[in-house]
Amino acid sequence: KQEVTQIPAALSVPEGENLVLNCSFTDSAIYNLQWFRQDPGKGLTSLLLIQSSQREQTSGRLNASLDKSSGRSTLYIAASQPGDSATYLCAVRESNFGNEKLTFGTGTRLTIIP
Amino acid sequence: NAGVMQNPRHLVRRRGQEARLRCSPMKGHSHVYWYRQLPEEGLKFMVYLQKENIIDESGMPKERFSAEFPKEGPSILRIQQVVRGDSAAYFCASSLSGTNEKLFFGSGTQLSVL
Repeated sequence: KQEVTQIPAALSVPEGENLVLNCSFTDSAIYNLQWFRQDPGKGLTSLLLIQSSQREQTSGRLNASLDKSSGRSTLYIAASQPGDSATYLCAVRESNFGNEKLTFGTGTRLTIIP
Repeated sequence: NAGVMQNPRHLVRRRGQEARLRCSPMKGHSHVYWYRQLPEEGLKFMVYLQKENIIDESGMPKERFSAEFPKEGPSILRIQQVVRGDSAAYFCASSLSGTNEKLFFGSGTQLSVL
């Protein structure tokens, strides 16, 4: 059974710092991995999607990497801003045919201190 | 181009009543997923539907819960005879053609059972 873990559960950093969020998964047979952002009381916003054949994806100040063999992904946020404060979730889709569901981690709650 | 629309945003029910949650996917999307987020827990997959078909309901409780995605109209998640443990945020997501692509989430329905 796939399990996704995100550590730390919460993180506070001063504005302007670069930071890394971690995600690990137990079964390396994944199809893709997706990073989401969730704001309080709101839905999820997809940030980056990495296919299993890819090593990383970049969008603006965000960079996500994937090491499938070790079961790890990182989300790097450069030059953090107060607007980056949110809960960040990673989710994996397993590679068995017909399995469309995502398995989510419990998230890292990020606070950027002005 | 409206995103995934869920209604109502908040739903209050007394124990034993029925709850009906609606989800309209993004325009052109024919794949719908329902997830549940219990307090202090990650999102858990419930069901995956395509138009008029339930593809994967492995995450649905065996009793009281049902889902549909008719040819016309929104997807409906129905919970009969609600209990306090059903209190959670229910999120709907859609994609163009399965989860090899990004999932787009709605803002969720917060169900509170009194």
